[in-house]
Amino acid sequence: DVKVTQSSRYLVKRTGEKVFLECVQDMDHENMFWYRQDPGLGLRLIYFSYDVKMKEKGDIPEGYSVSREKKERFSLILESASTNQTSMYLCASSSIPGGAGNEQFFGPGTRLTVL
Amino acid sequence: GQNIDQPTEMTATEGAIVQINCTYQTSGFNGLFWYQQHAGEAPTFLSYNVLDGLEEKGRFSSFLSRSKGYSYLLLKELQMKDSASYLCAVIGRRGGGNKLTFGTGTQLKVEL
Repeated sequence: DVKVTQSSRYLVKRTGEKVFLECVQDMDHENMFWYRQDPGLGLRLIYFSYDVKMKEKGDIPEGYSVSREKKERFSLILESASTNQTSMYLCASSSIPGGAGNEQFFGPGTRLTVL
Repeated sequence: GQNIDQPTEMTATEGAIVQINCTYQTSGFNGLFWYQQHAGEAPTFLSYNVLDGLEEKGRFSSFLSRSKGYSYLLLKELQMKDSASYLCAVIGRRGGGNKLTFGTGTQLKVEL
């Protein structure tokens, strides 16, 4: 059974703290993604990676960075958390492009609150 | 860029049929997905269309017209458990990988 796991379901941090969100997939997928989901705005892509040590900016990368040192792990970093980064963060992975193989598998999400 | 539109909310009756529409504008179209998301849970894959026409999978069907930039998800024999948000997403090539852009989702409420 395919699986994407995220390090925390709920996280509370203070403004200015450095925050790490971890995502691990066990499907040997090349592509990994970080999204945030907010009411009325839907899922928005923050960063994605199509290979180890490769990363590309998504639609809203400001205030975030990522790290992909190993194929199975993709980390999202908030260098200095701010209240407008309070959101649900979803990690996803997919295999290389090819028909229905484009399907993305999602982790359970991390609900981050920044006070 | 990419733009995706779908209705915000829909209500339907148990046992009925409902059609959720999605229109999109994109460059480098490489397929369209429908995902289902229950409250507090991650999205799960429902269907994928890359060629024009209807794809049927049990109670769910998805249709695509690339020339019109239009898709719909058809749910038959509605059940209460179908109450969820339905996300339309378009995939396009960006950089070295595939990138999915999501609509804001259609919240479907199934009533008795």
